[in-house]
Amino acid sequence: ETGVTQSPTHLIKTRGQQVTLRCSSQSGHNTVSWYQQALGQGPQFIFQYYREEENGRGNFPPRFSGLQFPNYSSELNVNALELDDSALYLCASSFGTGLSYEQYFGPGTRLTVT
Amino acid sequence: TQLLEQSPQFLSIQEGENLTVYCNSSSVFSSLQWYRQEPGEGPVLLVTVVTGGEVKKLKRLTFQFGDARKDSSLHITAAQPGDTGLYLCAPVVPNNNNDMRFGAGTRLTVKP
Repeated sequence: ETGVTQSPTHLIKTRGQQVTLRCSSQSGHNTVSWYQQALGQGPQFIFQYYREEENGRGNFPPRFSGLQFPNYSSELNVNALELDDSALYLCASSFGTGLSYEQYFGPGTRLTVT
Repeated sequence: TQLLEQSPQFLSIQEGENLTVYCNSSSVFSSLQWYRQEPGEGPVLLVTVVTGGEVKKLKRLTFQFGDARKDSSLHITAAQPGDTGLYLCAPVVPNNNNDMRFGAGTRLTVKP
């Protein structure tokens, strides 16, 4: 059984650029959630995708968008990058959408915006 | 917006010592999860507590959910260097649209 994987591991971008982060969910999982973890903070919920549709969103602006594919893998896209977007981006997959389902986290993508 | 506090923010102890970390809020939770996150990795679920007053044990870790379901604690007995990590609580608030909100965490260092 393959765990949650994310790519790339690290990424450096310039303010104003766009970035795409990728996540492959654990085998059998149909739900992916994305989180932003700033240095010294806990993860903040960005949004969740279930069967290719957005299924809940946190307090993030529209320049944060996502996709989920038929194989349940997912992308997080961030447009017009700002310095404050520098963080560890985590994705988590689960078998269902409710929070009673255990989420399995990937190792994250460390994004630095300069 | 709920105010969620984890304390202490940092904790450094010697191997063999006991410790307790706390997760407090003014809001009532449906349930609460505790995670441990090690450097370079994502959080890993340790336990979910659901019932007010519930106590769960996981080897040397004891988790307690407050009677009013507004707070929780994690007690570690005879800490080991392998317990080092960021301990996060994540309460589930009723009717909040799958929004799992993590606390800022307690960063624990256990020195050999």
